[in-house]
Amino acid sequence: QVQLVESGGGLVKPGGSLRLSCAASGFTFSDYYMSWIRQAPGKGLEWVSYISSSGSTIYYADSVKGRFTISRDNAKNSLYLQMNSLRAEDTAVYYCARAPPGGNYGMDVWGQGTTVTVSS
Amino acid sequence: DIQMTQSPSSLSASVGDRVTITCRASQSISSYLNWYQQKPGKAPKLLIYAASSLQSGVPSRFSGSGSGTDFTLTISSLQPEDFATYYCQQSYSTLWTFGQGTKLEIK
Repeated sequence: QVQLVESGGGLVKPGGSLRLSCAASGFTFSDYYMSWIRQAPGKGLEWVSYISSSGSTIYYADSVKGRFTISRDNAKNSLYLQMNSLRAEDTAVYYCARAPPGGNYGMDVWGQGTTVTVSS
Repeated sequence: DIQMTQSPSSLSASVGDRVTITCRASQSISSYLNWYQQKPGKAPKLLIYAASSLQSGVPSRFSGSGSGTDFTLTISSLQPEDFATYYCQQSYSTLWTFGQGTKLEIK
């Protein structure tokens, strides 16, 4: 079935780095935009970044621009988020989600999330 | 960035009630508005896309309306499984944004 599975979360010190992965299955990964969304403990959803189906178009939220890098490997059906210069405020559950191309269909499949904790 | 403001932030209602949640954008977003439901400890679930289109598999008691800057999510007759937090999200601009959420609780 259609599935997204995140991995790579964990505990990291402020200023450190972490790489999240999202493995896709059950659909043609290369047909879809992909996005990262996060949710700090007890808070709402915050969009982080998205990447087009080919990887040629990428956007970031201002809060992570210059520190996070989104990428994808369509041959491996995988999405990534490289997170550098991590701060305490980056502590959150990170979700990957797919979005049909066209921009007006919402994010229709989500992973279960992976937890990132930034603390000394 | 486009700011999305939901109201109310929380709402108490009873099973069988009709409930409306509002989402306002800081500028016109045409119909590029989506609604999600999130239950504690779970990933969000897409309910409505393009302001008024019902996502496949979502019960018909959920409906969405609006365009431009003002949007509504309506649940026609609340069921026990509908108590959750609801978020709107715009995909009009290149920087997507969510509303702050509306927590729907049992009265």
